[in-house]
Amino acid sequence: GESVGLHLPTLSVQEGDNSIINCAYSNSASDYFIWYKQESGKGPQFIIDIRSNMDKRQGQRVTVLLNKTVKHLSLQIAATQPGDSAVYFCAENWAAAGNKLTFGGGTRVLVKP
Amino acid sequence: EAGVAQSPRYKIIEKRQSVAFWCNPISGHATLYWYQQILGQGPKLLIQFQNNGVVDDSQLPKDRFSAERLKGVDSTLKIQPAKLEDSAVYLCASSIDIDTEAFFGQGTRLTVV
Repeated sequence: GESVGLHLPTLSVQEGDNSIINCAYSNSASDYFIWYKQESGKGPQFIIDIRSNMDKRQGQRVTVLLNKTVKHLSLQIAATQPGDSAVYFCAENWAAAGNKLTFGGGTRVLVKP
Repeated sequence: EAGVAQSPRYKIIEKRQSVAFWCNPISGHATLYWYQQILGQGPKLLIQFQNNGVVDDSQLPKDRFSAERLKGVDSTLKIQPAKLEDSAVYLCASSIDIDTEAFFGQGTRLTVV
């Protein structure tokens, strides 16, 4: 299948280690943020979301941190597995502007066995 | 629950030809999105519908692209005439409402030669 991450920054991680993927978002008025995972040949898959009234949210093996002061979002994946290899995108949404979900540039994660 | 369905999966056309993509969102989802994803980049929103009305089409090249969502369910995206730079994956997504997580289909990969 085609690759969606040919020219994206790449994070190489050893299997079992923790991964941290960072995202700088553009709009200080954005109030809803989502992390998506995209494997080759597939559409983006929802991982976790967070609203602007929170600074941390945890899911299964994943944690999202939001720092509104510096407009920074991060995704932490615990005990990274080979199945976590994919391209990860953050997306921001601004309700006052009509809820247009805007994606960032993405980070490719490669998990080494 | 069935996901977002898109067809065709792949399409190859010559420049200046026309092409249409079809999307069937998840049942009950009021919001439908069309995104364009060029290789190595994040998805770019083309148009967003709320039921059968357009919420945002500011990034849709209206001289050649058109989209409709009759009866607030299925949607079609058309390109006429196609250009080489239209080669991309066209993703359809739907969400229960604005400002909730969007679920993506597998996309249609368009190659314009």
